[in-house]
Amino acid sequence: EVQLLESGGGLVQPGGSLRLSCAASGFTFSDYAMSWVRQAPGKGLEWVSTISGSGGSTYYADSVKGRFTISRDNSKNTLYLQMNSLRAEDTAIYYCANLGAQPPLYFDYWGQGTLVTVSS
Amino acid sequence: QSALTQPPSASGTPGQRVTISCSGSSSNIGSHTVNWYQQLPGTAPKLLIYSNNQRPSGVPDRFSGSKSGTSASLAISGLQSEDEGDYYCAAWDDSLNVWVFGGGTKLTVL
Repeated sequence: EVQLLESGGGLVQPGGSLRLSCAASGFTFSDYAMSWVRQAPGKGLEWVSTISGSGGSTYYADSVKGRFTISRDNSKNTLYLQMNSLRAEDTAIYYCANLGAQPPLYFDYWGQGTLVTVSS
Repeated sequence: QSALTQPPSASGTPGQRVTISCSGSSSNIGSHTVNWYQQLPGTAPKLLIYSNNQRPSGVPDRFSGSKSGTSASLAISGLQSEDEGDYYCAAWDDSLNVWVFGGGTKLTVL
């Protein structure tokens, strides 16, 4: 059974940093691209970032480029999102999702999410 | 403003058939497959339809997807109260080099 478990969310002041983690199990982690998708309170889904299975390729939404860094540790089956220079508009539930091993790609499995609140 | 356009709301009575549209452009739906996600109240999104019209194992055949040109649709037949929630379409966008989602459609079962 595929499981994705996010952690690391919390309350942080504007300008602060936070690192999210996503522990994966139930599939060959290194074979799959992984993504972060967020959802602001009462709003829709917004793709944040994607990393390839090897970690060699990364992609970011313009809204987070230069501030967030996606990474993975395939030996620990864990995905990360380092978030710096946080802004109020980054407040959201952050979900990690398994993107798939080969095209056509889609967000297959999702974690339960972790809430990030940016406020003074 | 989302790159994919969905109606904000849809509704139907139990047993009815409802459809939710998703309109895009040549750089997203026109060039790539469309996926649909269901988000029930207080839960994480769940894959409902992938590659335009494929259902993951465990998804009832009441749910179906289609695509034509730069638009896609999700159809739900035999509507049930437990179908109430939000539905999102998504596709890769070549010109933006990002994954784009529709704004979501809130489905109400009357």
